[in-house]
Amino acid sequence: EPEVTQTPSHQVTQMGQEVILRCVPISNHLYFYWYRQILGQKVEFLVSFYNNEISEKSEIFDDQFSVERPDGSNFTLKIRSTKLEDSAMYFCASSVTGGIGANVLTFGAGSRLTVL
Amino acid sequence: GEDVEQSLFLSVREGDSSVINCTYTDSSSTYLYWYKQEPGAGLQLLTYIFSNMDMKQDQRLTVLLNKKDKHLSLRIADTQTGDSAIYFCAEMTTDSWGKFQFGAGTQVVVTP
Repeated sequence: EPEVTQTPSHQVTQMGQEVILRCVPISNHLYFYWYRQILGQKVEFLVSFYNNEISEKSEIFDDQFSVERPDGSNFTLKIRSTKLEDSAMYFCASSVTGGIGANVLTFGAGSRLTVL
Repeated sequence: GEDVEQSLFLSVREGDSSVINCTYTDSSSTYLYWYKQEPGAGLQLLTYIFSNMDMKQDQRLTVLLNKKDKHLSLRIADTQTGDSAIYFCAEMTTDSWGKFQFGAGTQVVVTP
Protein backbone atom coordinates (compact mmCIF):
# COMPACT_ATOMS: atom_id res chain seq x y z
CA GLU A 1 0.00 0.00 0.00
CA PRO A 2 1.42 3.43 -0.90
CA GLU A 3 2.83 5.40 2.01
CA VAL A 4 3.80 8.93 2.92
CA THR A 5 7.40 8.84 4.10
CA GLN A 6 8.88 11.36 6.52
CA THR A 7 12.47 12.02 7.56
CA PRO A 8 13.97 12.35 10.06
CA SER A 9 11.88 10.39 12.51
CA HIS A 10 13.38 12.41 15.35
CA GLN A 11 15.47 15.57 15.33
CA VAL A 12 16.98 17.39 18.28
CA THR A 13 18.07 20.96 17.70
CA GLN A 14 19.17 24.01 19.60
CA MET A 15 16.89 27.00 19.91
CA GLY A 16 17.49 29.44 17.07
CA GLN A 17 18.67 26.82 14.61
CA GLU A 18 17.03 26.16 11.27
CA VAL A 19 15.30 22.84 10.76
CA ILE A 20 14.05 21.18 7.59
CA LEU A 21 11.60 18.32 7.82
CA ARG A 22 11.19 16.21 4.71
CA CYS A 23 8.29 14.30 3.31
CA VAL A 24 7.79 12.12 0.25
CA PRO A 25 4.07 12.12 -0.55
CA ILE A 26 2.32 9.36 -2.46
CA SER A 27 3.43 9.64 -6.06
CA ASN A 28 0.12 10.43 -7.76
CA HIS A 29 -1.08 12.81 -5.05
CA LEU A 30 -1.23 16.48 -5.87
CA TYR A 31 -2.17 18.14 -2.58
CA PHE A 32 0.14 18.22 0.40
CA TYR A 33 -0.27 19.19 4.01
CA TRP A 34 1.58 19.68 7.26
CA TYR A 35 0.02 19.15 10.65
CA ARG A 36 1.63 19.19 14.07
CA GLN A 37 0.89 17.77 17.49
CA ILE A 38 2.44 19.31 20.57
CA LEU A 39 2.76 16.71 23.29
CA GLY A 40 -0.54 16.27 25.09
CA GLN A 41 -2.41 18.53 22.68
CA LYS A 42 -4.54 18.08 19.60
CA VAL A 43 -3.25 17.54 16.10
CA GLU A 44 -3.36 20.97 14.42
CA PHE A 45 -3.47 22.00 10.79
CA LEU A 46 -0.51 24.10 9.64
CA VAL A 47 -0.64 24.46 5.88
CA SER A 48 -1.92 23.02 2.63
CA PHE A 49 -0.02 23.22 -0.66
CA TYR A 50 -0.94 22.70 -4.29
CA ASN A 51 0.69 23.54 -7.59
CA ASN A 52 3.73 25.02 -5.86
CA GLU A 53 1.66 27.43 -3.85
CA ILE A 54 0.22 27.57 -0.37
CA SER A 55 -3.53 26.98 -0.57
CA GLU A 56 -4.34 27.70 3.04
CA LYS A 57 -2.42 28.25 6.25
CA SER A 58 -3.31 28.51 9.90
CA GLU A 59 -2.43 31.23 12.37
CA ILE A 60 0.38 28.99 13.63
CA PHE A 61 2.10 29.11 10.25
CA ASP A 62 3.88 32.43 10.68
CA ASP A 63 6.90 33.86 8.92
CA GLN A 64 9.20 31.41 10.66
CA PHE A 65 7.66 28.58 8.66
CA SER A 66 7.93 27.88 4.96
CA VAL A 67 7.11 24.97 2.68
CA GLU A 68 8.62 23.95 -0.59
CA ARG A 69 8.47 21.24 -3.18
CA PRO A 70 12.08 21.42 -4.37
CA ASP A 71 11.79 18.53 -6.81
CA GLY A 72 9.18 16.12 -8.10
CA SER A 73 9.09 13.97 -5.02
CA ASN A 74 9.94 15.87 -1.83
CA PHE A 75 7.80 18.25 0.16
CA THR A 76 9.61 20.12 2.93
CA LEU A 77 8.73 22.16 5.99
CA LYS A 78 11.37 24.64 7.10
CA ILE A 79 11.46 26.37 10.45
CA ARG A 80 13.94 29.24 10.20
CA SER A 81 14.76 29.93 13.82
CA THR A 82 13.35 27.30 16.12
CA LYS A 83 11.76 28.15 19.45
CA LEU A 84 11.14 25.89 22.41
CA GLU A 85 7.44 25.88 21.62
CA ASP A 86 8.12 24.41 18.17
CA SER A 87 8.83 21.08 19.87
CA ALA A 88 6.16 18.78 18.51
CA MET A 89 5.41 15.86 16.23
CA TYR A 90 5.04 17.11 12.68
CA PHE A 91 2.86 15.08 10.32
CA CYS A 92 2.96 15.33 6.56
CA ALA A 93 -0.10 14.25 4.58
CA SER A 94 -1.19 14.10 0.97
CA SER A 95 -4.38 13.67 -1.02
CA VAL A 96 -5.06 12.72 -4.60
CA THR A 97 -6.85 15.94 -5.38
CA GLY A 98 -8.33 18.88 -3.63
CA GLY A 99 -12.01 19.54 -3.20
CA ILE A 100 -13.94 16.37 -2.53
CA GLY A 101 -10.76 14.36 -3.18
CA ALA A 102 -9.26 15.98 -0.11
CA ASN A 103 -11.74 14.18 2.06
CA VAL A 104 -9.20 11.36 2.40
CA LEU A 105 -5.73 12.28 3.59
CA THR A 106 -2.89 9.80 3.93
CA PHE A 107 -0.58 10.71 6.80
CA GLY A 108 3.05 9.90 7.36
CA ALA A 109 4.46 8.49 10.59
CA GLY A 110 5.60 11.91 11.74
CA SER A 111 8.85 13.67 12.55
CA ARG A 112 9.42 14.43 16.19
CA LEU A 113 11.20 17.74 16.71
CA THR A 114 12.77 18.52 20.06
CA VAL A 115 14.08 22.05 20.58
CA LEU A 116 16.49 22.53 23.48
CA GLY B 1 -16.02 27.57 14.97
CA GLU B 2 -15.09 23.93 14.99
CA ASP B 3 -14.30 22.00 18.13
CA VAL B 4 -13.99 18.26 18.49
CA GLU B 5 -14.05 16.63 21.90
CA GLN B 6 -13.49 13.06 22.94
CA SER B 7 -12.84 11.16 26.13
CA LEU B 8 -9.18 10.54 26.84
CA PHE B 9 -9.05 6.95 27.98
CA LEU B 10 -10.88 3.66 27.55
CA SER B 11 -10.02 0.28 29.00
CA VAL B 12 -11.67 -2.80 27.53
CA ARG B 13 -11.29 -6.54 27.89
CA GLU B 14 -10.26 -8.62 24.94
CA GLY B 15 -13.30 -9.97 23.12
CA ASP B 16 -15.62 -7.23 24.38
CA SER B 17 -16.91 -4.37 22.26
CA SER B 18 -15.29 -0.94 22.54
CA VAL B 19 -17.22 2.25 22.06
CA ILE B 20 -15.32 5.48 21.58
CA ASN B 21 -17.31 8.70 21.64
CA CYS B 22 -16.78 12.09 20.08
CA THR B 23 -18.72 15.33 19.85
CA TYR B 24 -18.31 17.99 17.20
CA THR B 25 -19.71 21.45 16.76
CA ASP B 26 -19.90 22.36 13.09
CA SER B 27 -23.31 21.81 11.58
CA SER B 28 -22.50 22.46 7.93
CA SER B 29 -21.69 19.77 5.42
CA THR B 30 -19.11 17.77 7.22
CA TYR B 31 -17.00 14.67 6.92
CA LEU B 32 -16.26 12.88 10.19
CA TYR B 33 -13.33 10.53 10.55
CA TRP B 34 -11.77 8.01 12.83
CA TYR B 35 -8.00 7.65 12.71
CA LYS B 36 -5.87 5.15 14.62
CA GLN B 37 -2.36 5.83 15.84
CA GLU B 38 -0.16 3.03 17.08
CA PRO B 39 3.11 3.81 18.90
CA GLY B 40 5.71 5.17 16.50
CA ALA B 41 3.33 5.07 13.57
CA GLY B 42 1.38 7.66 11.63
CA LEU B 43 -2.31 8.38 11.59
CA GLN B 44 -4.09 5.48 9.92
CA LEU B 45 -7.51 6.20 8.47
CA LEU B 46 -10.01 3.66 9.79
CA THR B 47 -13.27 4.96 8.38
CA TYR B 48 -15.22 8.10 7.66
CA ILE B 49 -18.80 9.18 7.27
CA PHE B 50 -20.51 12.10 5.64
CA SER B 51 -22.92 14.10 7.74
CA ASN B 52 -25.96 13.04 5.71
CA MET B 53 -25.47 9.43 6.86
CA ASP B 54 -26.52 7.83 10.13
CA MET B 55 -24.37 4.75 10.18
CA LYS B 56 -21.53 3.03 8.41
CA GLN B 57 -20.27 -0.48 9.00
CA ASP B 58 -16.96 -1.89 7.88
CA GLN B 59 -16.11 -5.36 9.19
CA ARG B 60 -15.60 -4.98 12.97
CA LEU B 61 -16.08 -1.22 12.88
CA THR B 62 -19.43 0.54 13.18
CA VAL B 63 -19.74 4.32 13.06
CA LEU B 64 -22.91 5.91 14.37
CA LEU B 65 -23.76 9.55 13.80
CA ASN B 66 -26.35 11.45 15.80
CA LYS B 67 -26.69 14.70 13.90
CA LYS B 68 -29.10 16.25 16.36
CA ASP B 69 -26.66 15.89 19.25
CA LYS B 70 -23.55 16.22 17.02
CA HIS B 71 -22.32 12.97 18.46
CA LEU B 72 -20.15 10.43 16.67
CA SER B 73 -19.19 7.02 17.97
CA LEU B 74 -16.92 4.21 16.86
CA ARG B 75 -17.75 0.70 17.95
CA ILE B 76 -15.12 -1.99 17.62
CA ALA B 77 -16.58 -5.46 17.87
CA ASP B 78 -14.57 -8.34 19.38
CA THR B 79 -11.75 -6.04 20.49
CA GLN B 80 -8.28 -7.53 20.12
CA THR B 81 -4.96 -6.62 21.73
CA GLY B 82 -3.90 -5.22 18.37
CA ASP B 83 -6.64 -2.63 18.71
CA SER B 84 -4.71 -0.96 21.56
CA ALA B 85 -3.88 2.48 20.21
CA ILE B 86 -4.91 6.11 20.28
CA TYR B 87 -8.08 6.80 18.30
CA PHE B 88 -8.63 10.27 16.89
CA CYS B 89 -11.94 11.71 15.87
CA ALA B 90 -11.67 14.41 13.22
CA GLU B 91 -13.98 16.73 11.35
CA MET B 92 -13.65 18.45 7.99
CA THR B 93 -16.19 20.79 6.49
CA THR B 94 -16.69 21.09 2.77
CA ASP B 95 -15.66 24.74 2.84
CA SER B 96 -12.23 23.79 4.21
CA TRP B 97 -11.07 20.85 2.14
CA GLY B 98 -8.06 19.09 3.63
CA LYS B 99 -8.19 21.14 6.83
CA PHE B 100 -9.06 18.67 9.54
CA GLN B 101 -10.06 19.55 13.07
CA PHE B 102 -8.91 16.76 15.37
CA GLY B 103 -9.97 15.70 18.82
CA ALA B 104 -7.35 15.08 21.48
CA GLY B 105 -7.46 11.32 20.97
CA THR B 106 -8.76 8.43 23.08
CA GLN B 107 -6.20 6.00 24.43
CA VAL B 108 -7.69 2.51 24.18
CA VAL B 109 -6.06 -0.19 26.26
CA VAL B 110 -7.14 -3.77 25.64
CA THR B 111 -6.52 -6.16 28.51
CA PRO B 112 -6.42 -9.96 28.24
